Amino acid sequence: QKEVEQDPGPLSVPEGAIVSLNCTYSNSAFQYFMWYRQYSRKGPELLMYTYSSGNKEDGRFTAQVDKSSKYISLFIRDSQPSDSATYLCAMRGSGTYKYIFGTGTRLKVLA
Amino acid sequence: GAGVSQSPSNKVTEKGKDVELRCDPISGHTALYWYRQSLGQGLEFLIYFQGNSAPDKSGLPSDRFSAERTGGSVSTLTIQRTQQEDSAVYLCASSLASGNQETQYFGPGTRLLVL
Repeated sequence: QKEVEQDPGPLSVPEGAIVSLNCTYSNSAFQYFMWYRQYSRKGPELLMYTYSSGNKEDGRFTAQVDKSSKYISLFIRDSQPSDSATYLCAMRGSGTYKYIFGTGTRLKVLA
Repeated sequence: GAGVSQSPSNKVTEKGKDVELRCDPISGHTALYWYRQSLGQGLEFLIYFQGNSAPDKSGLPSDRFSAERTGGSVSTLTIQRTQQEDSAVYLCASSLASGNQETQYFGPGTRLLVL
């Protein structure tokens, strides 16, 4: 079993929909959680960074961490065709800079 | 300002040959990471540098893989005696690694194909 599990998709939604992307993990030591967006043939770019549990909002993006369930989510409101990309979750424990990434979920927002 | 750059952007090599991949991090970034991304796989951690030292090289898949960083800046990932399973996109990232708020900035990657 992988330390971080992420549905590869593809996930297709109509423009304007709310998108929910999720990752589950097995290592209870993970404390730092990130979501990256990766366009085709580009490097990933950081969208959201969360420490421990709770919610964080930035514009149309909301990241949630539920450490009790070992489950993290990224919500995208009012999705746009430009949001079409692969979304990767990443996480690490304290005392290490080794991030473990999910396989990524491919999102398609249809105009 | 300039982001992370990697060269070459594409590399095709024959099985058994050695390859060198280069990463130029953002100026002033002390932390540098190498990852490998294969089709259908997430980013696989290879090695982490803080300055010129590599406190974590646990992700290097075999002794054919090595990396170095000089002057706290440029890093080179070397793969010796390449195998077909080494075909992947190799990504480099750098960060300030300041406290708990580090943000990794990724380069565009080097696409390696071993024939």
